[in-house]
Parts: sequence; C-alpha cells; structure tokens
Amino acid sequence: NAGVTQTPKFRILKIGQSMTLQCTQDMNHNYMYWYRQDPGMGLKLIYYSVGAGITDKGEVPNGYNVSRSTTEDFPLRLELAAPSQTSVYFCASSRTRGETQYFGPGTRLLVL
Amino acid sequence: GNSVTQMEGPVTLSEEAFLTINCTYTATGYPSLFWYVQYPGEGLQLLLKATKADDKGSNKGFEATYRKETTSFHLEKGSVQVSDSAVYFCALRTDDNQGGKLIFGQGTELSVKP
Repeated sequence: NAGVTQTPKFRILKIGQSMTLQCTQDMNHNYMYWYRQDPGMGLKLIYYSVGAGITDKGEVPNGYNVSRSTTEDFPLRLELAAPSQTSVYFCASSRTRGETQYFGPGTRLLVL
Repeated sequence: GNSVTQMEGPVTLSEEAFLTINCTYTATGYPSLFWYVQYPGEGLQLLLKATKADDKGSNKGFEATYRKETTSFHLEKGSVQVSDSAVYFCALRTDDNQGGKLIFGQGTELSVKP
C-alpha cells in the first residue's frame, strides 16, 4: 500500500514551458486535492476533485488545469510556466470530505 | 475569511525540553482543527485533530486542546526528542470549505538538539 505518490520529485522549467505533475493514490479515495506551498507560507488549494470526472477550482487555480479520468490519478497541468509558479506542490486524498487527508511527498518546481 | 496563524519559527530546543507551538484561528461556524507534521523530505502527516470545542487531540506524546473562547489550538509536548525535528502545520476545516479543503498556517520549524 503506497498511499499517495507524486512524480517527479524535482523539476526545473523554463518560462513558457509546460509540464504535468503526476499524482496517484491506491486507497480508493474519492476526494483528491492539489495544494501549493510557497516559502514561509501555508499550503493553498489549487484544484480538487470529488470523484472521477468531477473537478473544481480552489483558491489559486490560475495557470493550472486538472483532469480526473480515474479514481486513482489526478494530474496537474501547467501550460505556460511562469516564475510565480515556483513552489512545492502537494497532492492529497481522502475517502470523504470530512475524513483525514493523506499527502504525497511533494514535487519541487523551479521556473527560471 | 477563514485563516490560521502560527507562531513563527524556527524554534530550537534541547532534547527533553517542553514544547509549545501557538496556533490561533479565525473561522465561521464550528471548524475542525488539525496539526500536521512534515519530516524532512516527506509529505505532511496528520499528527492529531479535534472536531469540537474542549476536545483534546493527542498522539506520540503531543497534545492540543480546542479552545473556542480563545480561538486557539496550541501544540504541546512535555519532553521533545531529536526525532521530533520537523515542520509543524496547524490547519482548520469548516463545513463550507471547498470540498473539505484544509486552510493551513505558515508552518513552524522545530529543531531539537541532543
């Protein structure tokens, strides 16, 4: 039981490049979340999903897109990377909205 | 709006010292409160939680009591160990949050020296 896994661990992007951050959970959780953590700040919600085929925006969705074609996977897409997207990205999942969220180890992204 | 404020770090303590990390919150309704811990190179893990006023969450020697009158959820441990070195996040969740999202404080880094 791996829990929540994220790839890659670290990535450097040039301004304007695109990439997909992968997130997979093996706990059959319905709810999945993407947060970003900026230095010295708490985590902020980018997007979330309440089940396959259903996604919605969080507090800071601009510049990102998500999809949820399966229960297990919840990739986060950056289309045109900007320096403001330099951050650490965490994926999380929970069985229901009121239950404990389990976090992945994070992806550190640097946009230059 | 809803928010969480934690004491600033880093906090440096000697082994076996007493730990307090302050956390206060602003929220509508009756939030659930959490402490998460992030060890170096790892994701966040739930340390403890409390879902209503006067509840005490506890785990691994850490405790926090939900104080509605002071809107606080301070984390305490009587005797810290080197292995407790990590970043600690206070967080809340209210019923009206998006999909059950968590609202986090900025995190407090704890370093315990032998």
